[in-house]
Amino acid sequence: DAGVIQSPRHEVTEMGQEVTLRCKPISGHDYLFWYRQTMMRGLELLIYFNNNVPIDDSGMPEDRFSAKMPNASFSTLKIQPSEPRDSAVYFCASSPRDRPPLKAFFGQGTRLTVV
Amino acid sequence: RKEVEQDPGPFNVPEGATVAFNCTYSNSASQSFFWYRQDCRKEPKLLMSVYSSGNEDGRFTAQLNRASQYISLLIRDSKLSDSATYLCVVGETSYDKVIFGPGTSLSVIP
Repeated sequence: DAGVIQSPRHEVTEMGQEVTLRCKPISGHDYLFWYRQTMMRGLELLIYFNNNVPIDDSGMPEDRFSAKMPNASFSTLKIQPSEPRDSAVYFCASSPRDRPPLKAFFGQGTRLTVV
Repeated sequence: RKEVEQDPGPFNVPEGATVAFNCTYSNSASQSFFWYRQDCRKEPKLLMSVYSSGNEDGRFTAQLNRASQYISLLIRDSKLSDSATYLCVVGETSYDKVIFGPGTSLSVIP
């Protein structure tokens, strides 16, 4: 099992540029989560999907952030335009339907730096 | 008051020591409780669930006190490899609200 795969692992971009983070969940998992981790705020849930449908996006900080899941094996998190305060590690996680919630498997994360 | 609180530490303990972490949560309706472990610059990984009756997994013991709204994690005979940040995770119904605590940093020293 390849686990949750995220790309890129590291991203450095200039303020104002568009950034797209990618995630491939574990095959067969019905839930997909996007998290952001910073020293100041810890690990925050941004949005999650169930069967490719966004269920709760209340954690998305503002309209500059958007997430899509066009199919069961792929999701993107886009920031447009990016700002220095968006610098963080972004994690994608997935979870199967038949296990209790929160037993999520995390990808290795994308470390985003906006300069 | 934050929804999930943990002592950030760091806890510096010698090998073989017993160390305990506490976590408090504010929402009495919370239903699911877990401990995750996160190594430096790595992703969080599930360590163990926390059940009402308390549960043990090798050197790790987790306990839940619903009346006082706190969760604990006890590590016995600590190893160098236990050095990590331990995240307390609390959930309400389903995935409606998932809250990670800020984490407690543990360093086990030779």
